[in-house]
Amino acid sequence: QKEVEQDPGPLSVPEGAIVSLNCTYSNSAFQYFMWYRQYSRKGPELLMYTYSSGNKEDGRFTAQVDKSSKYISLFIRDSQPSDSATYLCAMRLNTGFQKLVFGTGTRLLVSP
Amino acid sequence: DAGVIQSPRHEVTEMGQEVTLRCKPISGHDYLFWYRQTMMRGLELLIYFNNNVPIDDSGMPEDRFSAKMPNASFSTLKIQPSEPRDSAVYFCASSFTLAGFSYNEQFFGPGTRLTVL
Repeated sequence: QKEVEQDPGPLSVPEGAIVSLNCTYSNSAFQYFMWYRQYSRKGPELLMYTYSSGNKEDGRFTAQVDKSSKYISLFIRDSQPSDSATYLCAMRLNTGFQKLVFGTGTRLLVSP
Repeated sequence: DAGVIQSPRHEVTEMGQEVTLRCKPISGHDYLFWYRQTMMRGLELLIYFNNNVPIDDSGMPEDRFSAKMPNASFSTLKIQPSEPRDSAVYFCASSFTLAGFSYNEQFFGPGTRLTVL
């Protein structure tokens, strides 16, 4: 079993829809949780990060962490065609080292 | 800043040949990471350096892979000999610490798409 599980998709939605992307993980010691966005033929770029449990909002994006269930989510409101990309969750321990463990990514397609 | 620079962007080689991938991290960053991305396995960390010193190479698949960071502005990932199963996109990323605090953002380069025939 992988440390971080993520549905590969693709997830296809119409423009304006609310999108929910999710990851589950097995290591209860993870403390930092991140979402990276990767456009086709590009490197991943950090979208949001949260520490421990709770919600964090940034514009149309909301990141949610439920440590009791070992489950994290990214919600996208009013999705746009420009949101079409692969979304990777990542997480790490609360130590000085920066080793991240990534999910395999969910491909999102937002149609006009 | 130009961001993380990788070269070449594309590499096609034949099985058994040596492949060298190059990376220039963002100036001032003290961490450098090499990742491999495939459809089946996703993004896998191969090795990372802190202040030019290899910290964790447990993700290097086998002895055919080696990585070096001779100075703060340059790193290489070498595969010798290459095999078709090494075909993947290889990313280099860098990040920094400030006053002992590790930031979560890793800045990725554009990747090198490697095809081994």
